[in-house]
Amino acid sequence: DVVMTQSPLSLPVTLGQPASISCRSSQSLANSDGDTHLNWYQLRPGQSPRRLIYKVSNRDSGVPDRFSGSGSDTDFTLKISRVEAEDLGIYYCMQGTHWPGTFGQGTKLEVK
Amino acid sequence: QLHLQESGPGLVKPSETLSLTCTVSGGSISSFGSYWGWVRQPPGKRLEWIGSISYTGRTYYIPSLKSRLTISADTSKNQFSLNLSSVTAADTAVYYCARDLGYFEIDYWGQGTLVTVSS
Repeated sequence: DVVMTQSPLSLPVTLGQPASISCRSSQSLANSDGDTHLNWYQLRPGQSPRRLIYKVSNRDSGVPDRFSGSGSDTDFTLKISRVEAEDLGIYYCMQGTHWPGTFGQGTKLEVK
Repeated sequence: QLHLQESGPGLVKPSETLSLTCTVSGGSISSFGSYWGWVRQPPGKRLEWIGSISYTGRTYYIPSLKSRLTISADTSKNQFSLNLSSVTAADTAVYYCARDLGYFEIDYWGQGTLVTVSS
């Protein structure tokens, strides 16, 4: 299975400041169909997981534009331009290019 | 807006079968190109996709659980279900149901339900 490695695992932030999470895969996620199936999810206590970004850089409907995704091949990044209180939670990357889909360990975004 | 809701016992005894149902509203589990799956998260561990059923009824299981896992669908009720037999404490986890549009493009999730395996 493809191993997804996130860093850092804990990210203390100051509200209003930027934040960045890295996700690396053990194999290239570029698919023969031309897509790269790398998604980012947000998990907050008591809520359903929410997809923020799909196929590396596409924001889901309703996701604020302070969230952005980038990367290629095996190296991906989720950035939050200015962290707000509602952004606190755990963030996961997930690859879907190789079967079965696999997740990163999660990065906990918390107030410094 | 699609909504998924898990239901089932929160406590299962070792060696017994864990059974969960996901009820889908706001969309059909027979929709072309859709897959309906289960993701679990044991305490302190990462999320793990464990299996799914397609809109045609074809099933897919993670190899490590294939001998114990069955996923089925009831289109008349717009529900799909998970049965995991011979459970042990290692199966204790929050179980989520989810929709996947192929290539694990999981866009909708249930809220999750904690299942504890304990005597």
